[in-house]
Amino acid sequence: DIQMTQSPSSLSASVGDRVTITCRASQTISTYLNWYQLKPGKAPELLIYTASNLQSGVPSRFSGSGSGTNFTLIISSLQPEDFATYYCHQSYTTSQTFGQGTNVEIK
Amino acid sequence: QVQLQESGPGLVKPSETLSLTCTVSGGSIGIYFWSWIRQPAGKGLEWIGRIYTSGSTDYNPSLKSRVTMSVETSKSQFSLRLSSVTAADTAVYYCARSRGAISYYCDYWGQGMLVTVSS
Repeated sequence: DIQMTQSPSSLSASVGDRVTITCRASQTISTYLNWYQLKPGKAPELLIYTASNLQSGVPSRFSGSGSGTNFTLIISSLQPEDFATYYCHQSYTTSQTFGQGTNVEIK
Repeated sequence: QVQLQESGPGLVKPSETLSLTCTVSGGSIGIYFWSWIRQPAGKGLEWIGRIYTSGSTDYNPSLKSRVTMSVETSKSQFSLRLSSVTAADTAVYYCARSRGAISYYCDYWGQGMLVTVSS
């Protein structure tokens, strides 16, 4: 299986901050990388697909970049509704895998 | 707006079979993959597998011997069966629609259903 390693595992930030989350794959996955937001009791939400494509309806403050083994999710100006856990996900191999998650907390 | 809803028993005894169904509404079940993903308490997401509307499947190798997925297009439903469960299978189970051509992503998810394995 391809291992996906996110960093940091958690972070504390304030409204308005720029937040960067990274995801590293144990082998190259081209751009087969997606990002999701999870909140307790709610359906997970797709934010970014294929590394850099913003899902319809997702605010433009979210952006993704990267290819190969290194990927980044950026929230340009953190909003109150963005406090959540974020996961990267690779679909390069048939056996898909997720990162361990990054919990974004209020500072 | 596509909506997915998981249903099934929330409590399963050890060694028995966990069975969940996902009902799709607001869109066609055709031409997509349909996935199951789970999240044990305090842990990250684990991909269980996916099924195409033709019935072809892909499973997580670590669960493959215990997993069976099926689809019933006439009812806009797909299902998960996980046999010989243990406490380690206690988790929130999500169903999701998986789309893409080469790179796949889950664009619609259910809210998730907690399944507890306990006697």
